[in-house]
Amino acid sequence: GENVEQHPSTLSVQEGDSAVIKCTYSDSASNYFPWYKQELGKGPQLIIDIRSNVGEKKDQRIAVTLNKTAKHFSLHITETQPEDSAVYFCAASNTGNQFYFGTGTSLTVIP
Amino acid sequence: DAGITQSPRHKVTETGTPVTLRCHQTENHRYMYWYRQDPGHGLRLIHYSYGVKDTDKGEVSDGYSVSRSKTEDFLLTLESATSSQTSVYFCAIRDKYDEAFFGQGTRLTVV
Repeated sequence: GENVEQHPSTLSVQEGDSAVIKCTYSDSASNYFPWYKQELGKGPQLIIDIRSNVGEKKDQRIAVTLNKTAKHFSLHITETQPEDSAVYFCAASNTGNQFYFGTGTSLTVIP
Repeated sequence: DAGITQSPRHKVTETGTPVTLRCHQTENHRYMYWYRQDPGHGLRLIHYSYGVKDTDKGEVSDGYSVSRSKTEDFLLTLESATSSQTSVYFCAIRDKYDEAFFGQGTRLTVV
């Protein structure tokens, strides 16, 4: 089955700086790569996703890039704010199949 | 929240007792999932369903069973709860765009 690895496990940045979280996957059949943000005591919330026919996608301060050849994808958060502090999860999936999640990155934005 | 309700939100139970967690959705999505979340492990799939009475095992299915007799309800049962099943349990649905949305979670403590 699919194996998703996520790095780093913890990340601290100064407010206003950028944060980058990286994930790799093993199954070349995976074609959908979502990112989730989880705040304390809540369920994961979808923040952005990318499909295998696209190399990059942006939504305001967040962006995701995908390198299918190298089987890795990354989340980029620019101009970080304290409310960006949370745990972020990447995932990989093949349409109609289950999702495989990374182990999460705890992001702290220092005011 | 994509119309997902988990119940109960918190439960404390004794070792050896049966426990059933309920996930209810209001939007007729075909795919439903049960995950458990533990520190250092991220989200791990227990069971999933791809239709009424159609279910399959995930990577950590031992000690769990599921049932889906109606589209809107997906039940997770711990036949005889053990301390290793103390965790936070999340239900999720997958919509027609392959996007997954999570419920708020059930915190289960087995004493």
